[in-house]
Formats: sequence, C-alpha cells, structure tokens
Amino acid sequence: GAVVSQHPSRVICKSGTSVKIECRSLDFQATTMFWYRQFPKQSLMLMATSNEGSKATYEQGVEKDKFLINHASLTLSTLTVTSAHPEDSSFYICSALRGAPDTEAFFGQGTRLTVV
Amino acid sequence: RKEVEQDPGPFNVPEGATVAFNCTYSNSASQSFFWYRQDCRKEPKLLMSVYSSGNEDGRFTAQLNRASQYISLLIRDSKLSDSATYLCVVNSNDMRFGAGTRLTVKP
Repeated sequence: GAVVSQHPSRVICKSGTSVKIECRSLDFQATTMFWYRQFPKQSLMLMATSNEGSKATYEQGVEKDKFLINHASLTLSTLTVTSAHPEDSSFYICSALRGAPDTEAFFGQGTRLTVV
Repeated sequence: RKEVEQDPGPFNVPEGATVAFNCTYSNSASQSFFWYRQDCRKEPKLLMSVYSSGNEDGRFTAQLNRASQYISLLIRDSKLSDSATYLCVVNSNDMRFGAGTRLTVKP
C-alpha cells in the first residue's frame, strides 16, 4: 500500500518552545492531508484539513495561530505547535488522502509530543 | 449531534463469536465510507471500504444504508488477533472518525 511518513515519531520539548511535525506522502500526490490529535484512550479528533496551495480549514475549537499548518507541495504538509504547553502533549497523526478511483486515507506513524 | 457516532463498546467476546459494530453519520452528502482498525499506540489502518451493495472480505462483512445513514461491520468467527479498536470513517471532503469501538477477543 501507499506510504505516508511522519517525522519525528517522538519529541519532548520545553514549555514555550515550538515543534514542527512533517507529513510526507512517499508514492502518491496528496492534494488533501488531515491532521488529528488523539489523547489517551480517546478517538482521533480532526484538527484541520490541509489543502495544497491554500489555507488549512480548522475545526471548531482548534486555534489556527497555535497550530500552524503548511501544505506547500503535493507530498508535504507540516504542523507546527507554537508556544507549546503541557496540555498540548498528545499523539498527533497525519493522513494523506489518495483520490478516486481508489479513495483511501493513509496514515503516518504518528508523533508523540510531550511538553515538559 | 456528532458527525459520526459509533457503539461505545467495549466489546469483550470469546474466540469464535460473531460481533457487530454499528455507526451512524449525520451528513447525507457523505461520499465514501470505511472501517479502520487501530492497534494500541499505532496509526489506524484500513480494514475495508464500505460499498452500497455491501461487501465481504473473509470473516468481515460491511454494509451501508444510505437512507438510514448507517454503516455496520460484522466479524464472524472472531480471533484473538481481532482485538483492536475499530473506527468508522466517513468521507465528506474530510475524513471524520467515530469514537471507535474497542474489541477484546478472549480465549
């Protein structure tokens, strides 16, 4: 199947610093990528939909100035958590949407962020 | 109302049991539907797409009812390795997940 690479897989950062997470689709072009957050024992929650070449669409309650998304190419989207706080500690995961006729979302391996 | 709602679970069943998961969605314009499986601390992986005519893949059967905005997943002859969280996913120009239903299959 298609491969989506997410990096880093794990990061620990100090409160107040920023962290960038990369999501790459390795063998197909993805005009649409999604960013999710998952807290322990909870489901994936969509944070934003990222479309190549345009501004991301954020879900209600997600601060766009805090979670900066850039989708500058058809194979790369980045999520930057700015001024991170301990409550931002979570599992962040991206997915890239392969379009018709075989529509499927492929997920990155996820990034476990711990803010200390 | 949540856009995608699933049975809360958890489901604890013996090996060999048949188990069914249900999911409803609110957006009637939704285009495609999937069941994903997520193992603990791993990314979700596609289990199967769900087609209007219903589809079967070995022990797994998925069904879609557009009129009722409802999809289901049936697992027959469950195995220990089926233990995971099953996520209902609805594509309406974005991929929205249900809360997931945790399944534990016991010996």
